[in-house]
Amino acid sequence: EIVLTQSPGTLSLSPGERATLSCRASQSVSSRYLAWYQQKPGQAPRLLIYDGSSRATGTPDRFSGSGSGTDFTLTISRLEPEDFAVYFCQQYGSPPQTFGQGTKVEIK
Amino acid sequence: QVQLVQSGAEVKRPGSSVKVSCKASGGTFGKDGIGWWRQAPGQGLEWVGAIIPMFAASNYAEKFQGRVTITADGSTNTVYMELSSLRSEDTAVYFCARDANWFDPWGQGTLVTVSS
Repeated sequence: EIVLTQSPGTLSLSPGERATLSCRASQSVSSRYLAWYQQKPGQAPRLLIYDGSSRATGTPDRFSGSGSGTDFTLTISRLEPEDFAVYFCQQYGSPPQTFGQGTKVEIK
Repeated sequence: QVQLVQSGAEVKRPGSSVKVSCKASGGTFGKDGIGWWRQAPGQGLEWVGAIIPMFAASNYAEKFQGRVTITADGSTNTVYMELSSLRSEDTAVYFCARDANWFDPWGQGTLVTVSS
């Protein structure tokens, strides 16, 4: 199975700053079949990005996804207070689908 | 838009079984699949299995083969995930989610606690 490794584990930033989250796959993810989710404490994950760079309905345009092959990035252009959360990547190009272990974006 | 509503928290003894439901509210599953994931306290997401309700076709993560059964009731737009031979390591929040390759929307989650 494809292992997804997210870095950093924790990102400490201030509101207004830019956040860059990395997701590296152990094998190439076909056709950019990668999604990003946001999860807040006590809540279910929420889909942000699918197919590598397509924003889900309701995802603000400050969130963008990029990358291909084994290296993918989620960028939050300017952090808003509600963006402090845990972010997961998920690949669905090769079964079984797998998630990364998450990156926590915390307030500095 | 379809929402997924899960059954409430459960406390189970080791060796017993738990059955968690996931009901589509405001619509039907259609041709979509429903996946089940779990999240142990402070941990990431682990895939349990999935079903395409329209075809009653299910598949399971190798780790849970023989212990998990996922079924669907089309008349009530409800999917069930039953996990047997529970052990303490099965303590987690269990989520259902519409499987369109990516997962959206998600149910609110069901906490299953396994404790003697």
